[in-house]
Amino acid sequence: ETGVTQSPTHLIKTRGQQVTLRCSSQSGHNTVSWYQQALGQGPQFIFQYYREEENGRGNFPPRFSGLQFPNYSSELNVNALELDDSALYLCASSLGGAAGNTIYFGEGSWLTVV
Amino acid sequence: GQNIDQPTEMTATEGAIVQINCTYQTSGFNGLFWYQQHAGEAPTFLSYNVLDGLEEKGRFSSFLSRSKGYSYLLLKELQMKDSASYLCAVDGRNDMRFGAGTRLTVKP
Repeated sequence: ETGVTQSPTHLIKTRGQQVTLRCSSQSGHNTVSWYQQALGQGPQFIFQYYREEENGRGNFPPRFSGLQFPNYSSELNVNALELDDSALYLCASSLGGAAGNTIYFGEGSWLTVV
Repeated sequence: GQNIDQPTEMTATEGAIVQINCTYQTSGFNGLFWYQQHAGEAPTFLSYNVLDGLEEKGRFSSFLSRSKGYSYLLLKELQMKDSASYLCAVDGRNDMRFGAGTRLTVKP
């Protein structure tokens, strides 16, 4: 148990729809990162939030957006879903940025786009 | 560009030793993580190397050479439960970049 919880665990959406995934970080952690992991691949960094501000972004289009709330929980929003968005979406929390801190992953949200 | 390379698959025998290599070229480097990921599960932390050299933690050890852009994970006394994917990840500037993972199969 890492103390990082994600919801929903599984969902199916239709191409063109929008989806919101949620993450509650480990108690005391102020940084949340989101990753997309396609089958058979390593996780790909989407973005990171630190104290409610985005402070790092990977190579993902603007239709991938996020929020971090005052309690440090976070949302990942994906608009205009495409078939290739089907993947496991992982949330990871840490204290401070990625540098030098152990990062704890949630169990992930499995998204299938049909 | 940024590249993190590791072998796609490896097979080893129960009780043996296996070394999983990782080479990287990234624009920022603060350290290197190794994670274990069983099928259908989230990655779990194994090790984090900042300085050159070998760090040992039970059956698992991790090595880093920053000048060579090279790391390896050493697993000793392999057990069947060690069958999993092993992910190398570079701790960069405000992000963490992963390799594609090495799928390790441990056979009796």
